[in-house]
Amino acid sequence: DAGVTQSPTHLIKTRGQHVTLRCSPISGHKSVSWYQQVLGQGPQFIFQYYEKEERGRGNFPDRFSARQFPNYSSELNVNALLLGDSALYLCASSPRLAGSSYEQYFGPGTRLTVT
Amino acid sequence: GQQLNQSPQSMFIQEGEDVSMNCTSSSIFNTWLWYKQEPGEGPVLLIALYKAGELTSNGRLTAQFGITRKDSFLNISASIPSDVGIYFCAGLNYGGSQGNLIFGKGTKLSVKP
Repeated sequence: DAGVTQSPTHLIKTRGQHVTLRCSPISGHKSVSWYQQVLGQGPQFIFQYYEKEERGRGNFPDRFSARQFPNYSSELNVNALLLGDSALYLCASSPRLAGSSYEQYFGPGTRLTVT
Repeated sequence: GQQLNQSPQSMFIQEGEDVSMNCTSSSIFNTWLWYKQEPGEGPVLLIALYKAGELTSNGRLTAQFGITRKDSFLNISASIPSDVGIYFCAGLNYGGSQGNLIFGKGTKLSVKP
């Protein structure tokens, strides 16, 4: 079975531009979460979507937005890019929103470089 | 953002040695997950823990959910070169009906053949 897929793999953008990152969850998984991982740190939670609704938001500015589509795939959008947005952006999928026996499975990530 | 306290930050060991690392938090968690991340890849789930005091194994890996629910431990026995990578703990408190994981900063493991 295919795991979580993300596109693109790498991306280079200029300050002030916007970017759209894409994620397809594991088949049958209804929840998608987005994380930002800067070098030397653990992933930081950005958003969680379940059944196309935002169910959680981390401490990120409004320049970050996301959505989930009827097929449960998701997009992360970042506007007015700053140098500090350079990071590995990870998507994780899970079968449900939360609860017991909960697990999240990560994709390979999109490496975003802002120059 | 909030992060867990994970130690040690890095370890340099000889092949065949056992490894221990731990993760602590000021908050209580319902779930502890342990991941391994290799360069250029996303974290891979190794072990999931759901009950205080629970001890779970996955091959040479053993993890425990601390009884206070504020800590967790991961042990790797008889390390091999392919164990190299960064190990992350992640805690989840789903009381708020959210599934957002809180991660540690990772333990970087190097294994000398």
